[in-house]
Amino acid sequence: AQRVTQPEKLLSVFKGAPVELKCNYSYSGSPELFWYVQYSRQRLQLLLRHISRESIKGFTADLNKGETSFHLKKPFAQEEDSAMYYCALKRAGNMLTFGGGTRLMVKP
Amino acid sequence: DVKVTQSSRYLVKRTGEKVFLECVQDMDHENMFWYRQDPGLGLRLIYFSYDVKMKEKGDIPEGYSVSREKKERFSLILESASTNQTSMYLCASSYIEPEAFFGQGTRLTVV
Repeated sequence: AQRVTQPEKLLSVFKGAPVELKCNYSYSGSPELFWYVQYSRQRLQLLLRHISRESIKGFTADLNKGETSFHLKKPFAQEEDSAMYYCALKRAGNMLTFGGGTRLMVKP
Repeated sequence: DVKVTQSSRYLVKRTGEKVFLECVQDMDHENMFWYRQDPGLGLRLIYFSYDVKMKEKGDIPEGYSVSREKKERFSLILESASTNQTSMYLCASSYIEPEAFFGQGTRLTVV
C-alpha cells in the first residue's frame, strides 16, 4: 500500500539557516511526488513536483528511489517560508496520498 | 485565476444532524475530491469523483456520502454528524494531471 511519512511535525530554524523537510514514501510502482504548502490563512497550494525538477521560492526536492525519499530543501530560510508543508504521492486515478505534514517555523 | 469555492468557512452543527458541505469549481475540471485535514494526520481522502454522477470511496468514507449532479459542484454529506467528524474539510479539483487546486476549507464543529 502507498504511504507517505513526514517524521517531523515541527521544524524550527533561524532565518538564514538551511532547511530540510523530510519525506519518505512507500509505493510499488513508479512514484510521482509533490510538495504542497499552506501559509497562514491561505489555501493549500502546490509548491513543486519532482518531474519538473524546478526550484520554487528557492526550494528544491530530489527524488531518491534508493532511499524512497523526497526531501524538501532550501539553503537559506526566510521568515516568509513559515508554513505547513505536506508531501504527497500520486496514486492510481490522479489521487494523492498525503503525509502528516510538517510545520516550519523560521525565527528572526 | 483558478477557483475552488467552499460555501462555508465555519459551521457548527449538533450531533445527529444531516450536514451538507458544498464545493464549486470554475475550471471545468473532471476530478473533484473531498479531504479532511487533522493535525498530525495530514489530509485523508474521503471521496472523489471523476465525472458527473460518478463517485468512488476514498480512504475514510464511513459516515459520509457525496453528490455530483453537475460537473462544477461536488457536495459532501454527513448523514448523521458525530463529534469525531469535527475537522477541517477541504475540497479540491484537478484536470488530467494530479495537481490539485484546493478550496479555502470548511471548519466543521459538531457539538
